[in-house]
Amino acid sequence: DIQMTQSPSSLSASVGDRVTLTCRASQGIRNDLGWYQQKPGKAPKRLIYAASSLQSGVPSRFSGSGSGTEFTLTISSLQPEDFATYYCLQYHSYPLTFGGGTKVEIK
Amino acid sequence: QLQESGPGLVKPSQTLSLTCTVSGGSIRSGGYYWSWIRQHPGKGLEWIGYIYYTGITDYNPSLKSRVTMSLDTSKNQFSLKLSSVTAADTAVYYCARSPGYRHAIDIWGQGTMVTVSS
Repeated sequence: DIQMTQSPSSLSASVGDRVTLTCRASQGIRNDLGWYQQKPGKAPKRLIYAASSLQSGVPSRFSGSGSGTEFTLTISSLQPEDFATYYCLQYHSYPLTFGGGTKVEIK
Repeated sequence: QLQESGPGLVKPSQTLSLTCTVSGGSIRSGGYYWSWIRQHPGKGLEWIGYIYYTGITDYNPSLKSRVTMSLDTSKNQFSLKLSSVTAADTAVYYCARSPGYRHAIDIWGQGTMVTVSS
């Protein structure tokens, strides 16, 4: 199985901050990576697919980059509604595997 | 849209059974892969397996011996059965869709909480 490691596991930030989340794969996955946002009691919501493609309807302050084993999700200017937990998902090979998540909290 | 349904409480050693109803399109169209994913309370996400519209399945090796997935195309539904459950199977269960074999999951159901307890 491909192991996905997210860092940090949590962070505190202020509205307007630029935030960068990292996801590392235990082996190369090309660009077969998605990013998801999950709020308490809700299902995850896809933000990014193919490592850098923005899901329709998602604000442009979200961006993804990377290929191979290292990936990042950047929020250019954190908004109140962005406080949530973010997960990466590799779909390069089965079983699909998720990172452990990064919880973005209000400072 | 996807909607999970099934018992919220299952006794240890019994079989957990959940159904996902697909609306807004046929479960047989588009080459979609239909997955089940679970999330233990306060924890991360675990992929359980998928069923393709042809009926082909693939399961997570960690659960493979206990998992069965099936399709009911007449009702536009797919189902999950997880046998011999224990308290460790207590989780929120999500059904989800991938647009293709090597495509990111794009749509999720709202999730249903299943508790294993006597």
